[in-house]
Amino acid sequence: QSALTQPASVSGSPGQSITISCTGTSSDVGGYNYVSWYQQHPGKAPKLMIYDVSNRPSGVSNRFSGSKSGNTASLTISGLQAEDEADYYCSSYTSSSTLNWVFGGGTKLTVL
Amino acid sequence: QVTLRESGPALVKPTQTLTLTCTFSGFSLSTSGMCVSWIRQPPGKALEWLALIDWDDDKYYSTSLKTRLTISKDTSKNQVVLTMTNMDPVDTATYYCARIPDILTGPLYFDYWGQGTLVTVSS
Repeated sequence: QSALTQPASVSGSPGQSITISCTGTSSDVGGYNYVSWYQQHPGKAPKLMIYDVSNRPSGVSNRFSGSKSGNTASLTISGLQAEDEADYYCSSYTSSSTLNWVFGGGTKLTVL
Repeated sequence: QVTLRESGPALVKPTQTLTLTCTFSGFSLSTSGMCVSWIRQPPGKALEWLALIDWDDDKYYSTSLKTRLTISKDTSKNQVVLTMTNMDPVDTATYYCARIPDILTGPLYFDYWGQGTLVTVSS
């Protein structure tokens, strides 16, 4: 069982918007603005899509956006495209006794 | 251009020790704030953070695995090495190394990843 909870799957049609949630606790998602999101295509390494809750790295489409409310972070993808079909993972820094990061269980996005 | 590449055995036997090497380029692990982490992913499952080493040679480990893990660096070779003892079939996974660009100023995310190396634990 992963430390952060994500829906196992979401789907949407091209052009639509979808949102993936990531629920943690006050020790991780709720306690820090260090939530990041990663996209992973089959057989590939994860790719950073969002960092510090809502910031996009250079080169990432502005169709991707992030937000947070309390212990739940969200990734929204607008204007869905076929190439967005992938697994998405959230991650958060967490305050245990030492530096530590936790990941969500991953969400499979299907573009119908 | 930042790149990372993992290398190591594809197959290890139960109880053996696994040694993985991350060879990177495009940055220096002697730069203040720079860090390299190891993260793994069992087939079809989620990512799991394992360990981190920073520019100052401070080391941090997953609470659940810290008794089995050792991380080290060779700055002159641009390499980070992870060893994991007492390997078990449940440790079968793709192992990734990834960079954190500046832990001092706060951004705590993995901005560049290697392509990963699949390690199978089987007799």
